[in-house]
Amino acid sequence: DAGVIQSPRHEVTEMGQEVTLRCKPISGHDYLFWYRQTMMRGLELLIYFNNNVPIDDSGMPEDRFSAKMPNASFSTLKIQPSEPRDSAVYFCASRAGQGAYEQYFGPGTRLTVT
Amino acid sequence: AQKVTQAQTEISVVEKEDVTLDCVYETRDTTYYLFWYKQPPSGELVFLIRRNSFDEQNEISGRYSWNFQKSTSSFNFTITASQVVDSAVYFCALSESRFSSGSARQLTFGSGTQLTVLP
Repeated sequence: DAGVIQSPRHEVTEMGQEVTLRCKPISGHDYLFWYRQTMMRGLELLIYFNNNVPIDDSGMPEDRFSAKMPNASFSTLKIQPSEPRDSAVYFCASRAGQGAYEQYFGPGTRLTVT
Repeated sequence: AQKVTQAQTEISVVEKEDVTLDCVYETRDTTYYLFWYKQPPSGELVFLIRRNSFDEQNEISGRYSWNFQKSTSSFNFTITASQVVDSAVYFCALSESRFSSGSARQLTFGSGTQLTVLP
């Protein structure tokens, strides 16, 4: 089975531009998580969905960040407008439903905002 | 609140040496889950193992072994006869079992230990 798929793998953009990161979770998984990884702050949970519904977005840093999950096989994380401090690796992870605990991560998207 | 501490920021060993990565956790729950993830230089996060708090039996998988001790709140990871391919950042993580205001068993990660295995 395919793992979690993320695109693009690398994104370089200029400050002020809109950035959209994409994620396809493992088929059949009920939970989807978006994380950000930086040297300074490590791995931070931004938001997670259960059955396509956002459950906890308390980790989203600002209103510039938004996430959607229109269906069970697709999610987006959007930054508008982007800023240099948003430069990080963004991971998507998915987890099966009740009784499951481990999360499976995608390869990440390395975002650089100049 | 839960917390995971990986005090070793960086470890360097020579190939074939054994190495132990430390993980200490804090939680108020009596039922919880502990994990180790590997992040090789390519950047992806790879799930290695999950342990339940009610099962303190140590586990061995090839050259990897895990020592879970509730009395000291530790979940240490040992690589025997290390290899260059083991070079990576290793993360310990904790998940509580109970549902509380949407926590839904989120993972709390430690800060990671960078392991370098020299040839």
